[in-house]
Amino acid sequence: EAGVAQSPRYKIIEKRQSVAFWCNPISGHATLYWYQQILGQGPKLLIQFQNNGVVDDSQLPKDRFSAERLKGVDSTLKIQPAKLEDSAVYLCASSLGGGGSRAGYEQYFGPGTRLTVT
Amino acid sequence: GENVEQHPSTLSVQEGDSAVIKCTYSDSASNYFPWYKQELGKGPQLIIDIRSNVGEKKDQRIAVTLNKTAKHFSLHITETQPEDSAVYFCAATRGTPLVFGKGTRLSVIA
Repeated sequence: EAGVAQSPRYKIIEKRQSVAFWCNPISGHATLYWYQQILGQGPKLLIQFQNNGVVDDSQLPKDRFSAERLKGVDSTLKIQPAKLEDSAVYLCASSLGGGGSRAGYEQYFGPGTRLTVT
Repeated sequence: GENVEQHPSTLSVQEGDSAVIKCTYSDSASNYFPWYKQELGKGPQLIIDIRSNVGEKKDQRIAVTLNKTAKHFSLHITETQPEDSAVYFCAATRGTPLVFGKGTRLSVIA
């Protein structure tokens, strides 16, 4: 079974520029998550999709971050304009369903995109 | 909301020894506690999880224990090997979102 795919793997941009990340979840997984992982910390949820609807985006800085899930499969996360503090690894994860506490709804992560803002 | 504390932040053990990582959580309604292993340049990999209706779970050399009364859970790795060297994260949730600890960097010295 193929895992979660993400691209690009690395990106370097200057502050105030824009950037977009792409994620393809595990086939059949209805729920997709975007996390931000700052160096030395655990992942922090930015947004959760169930199919193509948003379940939780309470931690997403909506003035500069946006995300969409195309036809309930692939997803893109965009930052515009980027700030220095956005330097982090952006992780995409997917699960069979929402509510990760249920058996069979474990979250599986992709390799992440390392963003450096200079 | 949920808050997860993880200790220690770094841990060095000799190959063959055991390693223990401990986490505490704040939300008594949390009922799912996964552990992830993250190697350099890779995403977190789920290695074991436990739900609140179970006190202990074991999978070969790794085990997790849960004390709901004290609101803490632990990861135990026995007979450590160099390939166990990585950053380990605990997490807790009552459904969503998954809240992570800050991680433990485990070094296994050959």
